[in-house]
Amino acid sequence: ELKVEQNPLFLSMQEGKNYTIYCNYSTTSDRLYWYRQDPGKSLESLFVLLSNGAVKQEGRLMASLDTKARLSTLHITAAVHDLSATYFCAVDMYANTGNQFYFGTGTSLTVIP
Amino acid sequence: SAVISQKPSRDICQRGTSLTIQCQVDSQVTMMFWYRQQPGQSLTLIATANQGSEATYESGFVIDKFPISRPNLTFSTLTVSNMSPEDSSIYLCSVIGITVVGGYTFGSGTRLTVV
Repeated sequence: ELKVEQNPLFLSMQEGKNYTIYCNYSTTSDRLYWYRQDPGKSLESLFVLLSNGAVKQEGRLMASLDTKARLSTLHITAAVHDLSATYFCAVDMYANTGNQFYFGTGTSLTVIP
Repeated sequence: SAVISQKPSRDICQRGTSLTIQCQVDSQVTMMFWYRQQPGQSLTLIATANQGSEATYESGFVIDKFPISRPNLTFSTLTVSNMSPEDSSIYLCSVIGITVVGGYTFGSGTRLTVV
C-alpha cells in the first residue's frame, strides 16, 4: 500500500520567514498534488505536478517534484498570515480497481504576525 | 474544473439514526469518490462509486454502514447508518477534475456531529 508522509506535521512561523514542507511517498508515481484546507472548509487545489522535475509557483508558494527521490516540496517564501491553513499533498496511483488517491498526513501551518 | 455541490453542509444527529449526504456534479463523470476526514486527521477514502455497479469499499468500510448510491453520471449519495459519536467527521465527495491536466476536485464537505 502506498504511504504518503509529510513533515513537519505542525509548523509555526513568523511573517516574512521562509520554510519548506516535505512530502515523501513510498512507491512509484508521477502525479502529485498539493491542496490547502482552511478550518471547517473543503480542499482547494494548489498545484498539480505531473512529471519529474516539475516546478510550479503561485504567489508565495512554490512546489516541486522529484519522482526519483519520491519527494515533493512546498516552499513558502516570506510568509504572511493569510497562508495559515493545513496543507496536504496527495499522490495518484493506478491500482487494479482504478485510480486511487492517497493523502499525506497534512501540515498545519500557523503564520504569526 | 467540475463544480460539485454537496449537501447538507453540516448536521447534528442523534446516535442510532442515519444521514444521507448528496453530491451533485455539473458534468458527467465516471468515478466519484467519498472520503472521511476525522477531526485533526487527513482524508481517508471510504469508497469509489461507479455508475451502474456497486461501490468499491476500502478496507475498514462496509456497505451496511456506508451504503452508496450512484443512479447516474452526475449524482451520488453516501448514507452514514446507525451513527455513533465516532462517526463525527467531515465527509467529502470528489471527482477527477475535467481539466487539461487532470486532478481531483472536492465538494464543500459535510460536517457531521453525532451526539
